[in-house]
Amino acid sequence: GNSVTQMEGPVTLSEEAFLTINCTYTATGYPSLFWYVQYPGEGLQLLLKATKADDKGSNKGFEATYRKETTSFHLEKGSVQVSDSAVYFCALSDPGYGGATNKLIFGTGTLLAVQP
Amino acid sequence: KAGVTQTPRYLIKTRGQQVTLSCSPISGHRSVSWYQQTPGQGLQFLFEYFSETQRNKGNFPGRFSGRQFSNSRSEMNVSTLELGDSALYLCASSLALAGGTEAFFGQGTRLTVV
Repeated sequence: GNSVTQMEGPVTLSEEAFLTINCTYTATGYPSLFWYVQYPGEGLQLLLKATKADDKGSNKGFEATYRKETTSFHLEKGSVQVSDSAVYFCALSDPGYGGATNKLIFGTGTLLAVQP
Repeated sequence: KAGVTQTPRYLIKTRGQQVTLSCSPISGHRSVSWYQQTPGQGLQFLFEYFSETQRNKGNFPGRFSGRQFSNSRSEMNVSTLELGDSALYLCASSLALAGGTEAFFGQGTRLTVV
């Protein structure tokens, strides 16, 4: 079935360090891919998305490229800040139902802790 | 523009009781989805509504049900509560019903079953 696998956390980095959070997926068809972020006590916020192969999503210094050949959508940021500390979720849109669904399949989440 | 509003934010119920959670989507959004978030199972899809019709359902027992009203507001109901139903319940609204559409999440309702 369709699924998302992301790297286990927590990931602990110093401020200004380079961030990579790995995400791979299994899906039939051509799903859209997303990164969502959850700050403590909050719901999820869309960070970035890509809707087709080779698309690059970017926002607030974060980037991820939809790689169909490796079924991956790794999240990167060149220089993290303390304010980036949160849980990051990789997700794909369920490609079933002829695309007529907003159902998301999430990875387990990766906790990022950035220290000053 | 107001975001997705979920009420109540916190709830404590006793095993065997039932509970109703409410979600008001962003104005103009007709698609509402519900998710359960737990430390053990992560984020799991419950169901999805569009124009008052359930379009999709996750793998949850029949104790979990929902509905959507003509103003797009949605409710979910859990009957005969079990301890394992303790979770953060998240509602998301979207403008259209299509994969790739951005989902806007509410802050969630934290349900504790004792």
